[in-house]
Amino acid sequence: KNEVEQSPQNLTAQEGEFITINCSYSVGISALHWLQQHPGGGIVSLFMLSSGKKKHGRLIATINIQEKHSSLHITASHPRDSAVYICAVDYGGATNKLIFGTGTLLAVQP
Amino acid sequence: DAGITQSPRHKVTETGTPVTLRCHQTENHRYMYWYRQDPGHGLRLIHYSYGVKDTDKGEVSDGYSVSRSKTEDFLLTLESATSSQTSVYFCAIGSMANTGELFFGEGSRLTVL
Repeated sequence: KNEVEQSPQNLTAQEGEFITINCSYSVGISALHWLQQHPGGGIVSLFMLSSGKKKHGRLIATINIQEKHSSLHITASHPRDSAVYICAVDYGGATNKLIFGTGTLLAVQP
Repeated sequence: DAGITQSPRHKVTETGTPVTLRCHQTENHRYMYWYRQDPGHGLRLIHYSYGVKDTDKGEVSDGYSVSRSKTEDFLLTLESATSSQTSVYFCAIGSMANTGELFFGEGSRLTVL
C-alpha cells in the first residue's frame, strides 16, 4: 500500500474551472513536493513546502500538518495544464528518500 | 532549466545483457538520484548519491549498481538485464537531501526483451 495517497486518480475539467488535487500521507513529514509531468515528458518540480501555503502564478499549494493533507489548486485552468500531478513526501530521518504518490492525471478540455 | 541530461533516451536490449544509463549534470549539485517509473506505481528510488564515491541503496536496488566518480556524472548499471527492469528511468539532482527543489532529467526508456 502506497504511503502517499492522491485523489482523484483522474480528473477532467473544462477550461477556466478551478481544480483541486489532494494528497494524504500517513505520518509526520519534514517536507512535501508537488511535481508536474507532461505526457511523454520530463518531470518538473512545482512546489516544496513544509507548512502553510505557496503560490506561483495560477498554482497554489497548501499543507495541513495536523491533518496530514496537502492540496494543489489550479485557478482558471487551461488545456496546457493537462498533465500528471505528483505528490511526494519526505518522512525525514536517515532514509533520505522521497515517497511518491501514483499521480493524478488531469485533462483540461477547451 | 537545470543542466541535467540522461543518455541514452531510448534503449532496447535483450535479457542477460549489461546496460548502463548515464546522468550528467552541470549544476554542481551534491545529491543525485536514480528512480524508475512504472504504471500503477509512484516513482521509486533505486540508488542515490550524496557525493563523489558516496552512494546508497533505495527501495528497489536489487539488480542495479551505481557509480559516481565525479560530481557531474552518476551511472546506473544493470549487470544482467531482466524483463522486470523494463521501465522508464529518471535521474534527479538536488542541492539538499529532499528538502530543496529537485530537478529531473527527461527520462530513459529501457525495454528488455
